[in-house]
Amino acid sequence: AQRVTQPEKLLSVFKGAPVELKCNYSYSGSPELFWYVQYSRQRLQLLLRHISRESIKGFTADLNKGETSFHLKKPFAQEEDSAMYYCALRGTGRRALTFGSGTRLQVQP
Amino acid sequence: GAVVSQHPSRVICKSGTSVKIECRSLDFQATTMFWYRQFPKQSLMLMATSNEGSKATYEQGVEKDKFLINHASLTLSTLTVTSAHPEDSSFYICSASLLSGDSNQPQHFGDGTRLSIL
Repeated sequence: AQRVTQPEKLLSVFKGAPVELKCNYSYSGSPELFWYVQYSRQRLQLLLRHISRESIKGFTADLNKGETSFHLKKPFAQEEDSAMYYCALRGTGRRALTFGSGTRLQVQP
Repeated sequence: GAVVSQHPSRVICKSGTSVKIECRSLDFQATTMFWYRQFPKQSLMLMATSNEGSKATYEQGVEKDKFLINHASLTLSTLTVTSAHPEDSSFYICSASLLSGDSNQPQHFGDGTRLSIL
């Protein structure tokens, strides 16, 4: 079975502060990990995925297989980063995603 | 590009009626679409995988006769909630991946449909 855990329902930081949204997963094979973001009144959209190893909007995430984690990080939060963030996993041979419960990021001025 | 349109965005109906939700890929073709359900303040739960030209694959615990899925073309999948009851009230979201031999294609999501059964 595969599972994605996001332990924080809400993360509140001040503008300019570093951000780390935690994501841990459980999967026996080699998964693909994703971060999706949902801004207020908008649809869910892909933020980044581990195979791309890219930085989007200043966010990065590194897959740590030893710790089975895929934490999302940004060194300096901005107010426009306030949104709901979902970590998701795709198992080998599957195209569907398993989502975590989501973390709401609030960046205060 | 890669826009998924979902319709209707909201529907309110009486218990016992059937409700159809459409999911369209507007500018790309998708052999596979996915239907998720989201309860308030909870995660998206996969209901079924919709395959163009063949039967949908349902997740464990999802009633096939309750949630009818049809994927008649490469750009349209429909979810029909039959004989809906208040416990079927939820937020339903579809997603689609581009038609490609690359299984790493990301999913693109619709806006979702909020279904309320009175």
